[in-house]
Amino acid sequence: EIVVTQSPATLSVSPGDGATLSCRASQSVSSNIAWYQQKPGQAPRLLIYGASTRAAGIPARFSGSGSGSVFTLTVSSLQSEDFAVYYCQHYNNWPHPYTFGQGTMLEIK
Amino acid sequence: EVQLVESGGGLVQPGRSLRLSCVASGFNFDDYAMHWVRQVPGRGLEWVSGITWKSDSVAYADSVKGRFTISRDNAKNSLYLQMNSLRPEDTALYYCARVGSRWGDWEWFDPWGQGALVTVSS
Repeated sequence: EIVVTQSPATLSVSPGDGATLSCRASQSVSSNIAWYQQKPGQAPRLLIYGASTRAAGIPARFSGSGSGSVFTLTVSSLQSEDFAVYYCQHYNNWPHPYTFGQGTMLEIK
Repeated sequence: EVQLVESGGGLVQPGRSLRLSCVASGFNFDDYAMHWVRQVPGRGLEWVSGITWKSDSVAYADSVKGRFTISRDNAKNSLYLQMNSLRPEDTALYYCARVGSRWGDWEWFDPWGQGALVTVSS
């Protein structure tokens, strides 16, 4: 079974700065990686799928990159509403179709 | 507006059963695979189960296999999760989620419902 590991667990960043979140898979997963944002008391929201395609309505300051086993979510010029927990997800992997990373909390420095 | 609304959560004793429902609106339910994902409050996300848009395939996480059953009723735009032999470790917020594109089965999730809380305790 593929294991997905996110780092760091917590990232402290000042508003206006950029942030880079990492997601590593234990083996190659092609581009079958999605990123979600979750704020307290809310359901997760899709940000990125196919490793680098922004979902509808997602601001351009969110970008995804990577392929194979190493992936990155970059948030440029952090806004107050961007401070949240971010999860990466590997999908389309039969017979274990989905694996989530443990999450990265992006907090205000 | 695409909307997913879960119901059926609550407090249940270990070993008992519970059935979750998710009613969909704002899109053609027949054309989309659907999934359940759970989250222990304050913890991470765990995929639980999924069903294809044609209902020709289902899948389960190892942690629930043999105890949970996913199903759908396209006439009622509804997704279900029958949970039997519940354990304290099944306590979580259960989200219903649609896949991102029509006729895709094991894709990313978009959107998600707001969740139904299941608490398993004596």
